[in-house]
Amino acid sequence: AQSVSQHNHHVILSEAASLELGCNYSYGGTVNLFWYVQYPGQHLQLLLKYFSGDPLVKGIKGFEAEFIKSKFSFNLRKPSVQWSDTAEYFCAVSGGSYIPTFGRGTSLIVHP
Amino acid sequence: GAGVSQSPSNKVTEKGKDVELRCDPISGHTALYWYRQSLGQGLEFLIYFQGNSAPDKSGLPSDRFSAERTGGSVSTLTIQRTQQEDSAVYLCASSLAGGDEQYFGPGTRLTVT
Repeated sequence: AQSVSQHNHHVILSEAASLELGCNYSYGGTVNLFWYVQYPGQHLQLLLKYFSGDPLVKGIKGFEAEFIKSKFSFNLRKPSVQWSDTAEYFCAVSGGSYIPTFGRGTSLIVHP
Repeated sequence: GAGVSQSPSNKVTEKGKDVELRCDPISGHTALYWYRQSLGQGLEFLIYFQGNSAPDKSGLPSDRFSAERTGGSVSTLTIQRTQQEDSAVYLCASSLAGGDEQYFGPGTRLTVT
């Protein structure tokens, strides 16, 4: 069975700080990896995804994530956060089935 | 274009009553998922529909929960004899095919009193 672990449950940053949110998964085979974001009062939406190819994936709003197969990780990064990045971030993995498993989420608060 | 819609947006019900939650996926999306999101928790998978195949019900927490998808489109999640622990936000998502990126609806917030 697959599982996802997000290590940071709550992150508080000031604007312009750099961000890295950890995501580790457990599954031995080929995986599809996702980061979703939920802004306050809005739907969950896709931030970025990795299916194959270049392990460094760029998404919307300046976010990127790197798939490191040897570490079973798919960490999310942004070099300089903005107040508008305040949101809940979810990592998800699907491997072996079409049903993604989601992490518990990381609440990010960015102070202006 | 139109996204995934869910109704009602909020539902308050008394313990023991049955509730029905509706999901309209994006047209043409063959895969449809139901999740439950409780405060501070991730998304708990409930059920997955793919085309005309039998649904994957492995996430349903009890036999009080059931779902159907008519004509490969609209889906209804039914919770019978609701309990207070059923209080949560119920999310529906659809994707072009299984395993693809998911498009989520706004959710139905269910409160059981």
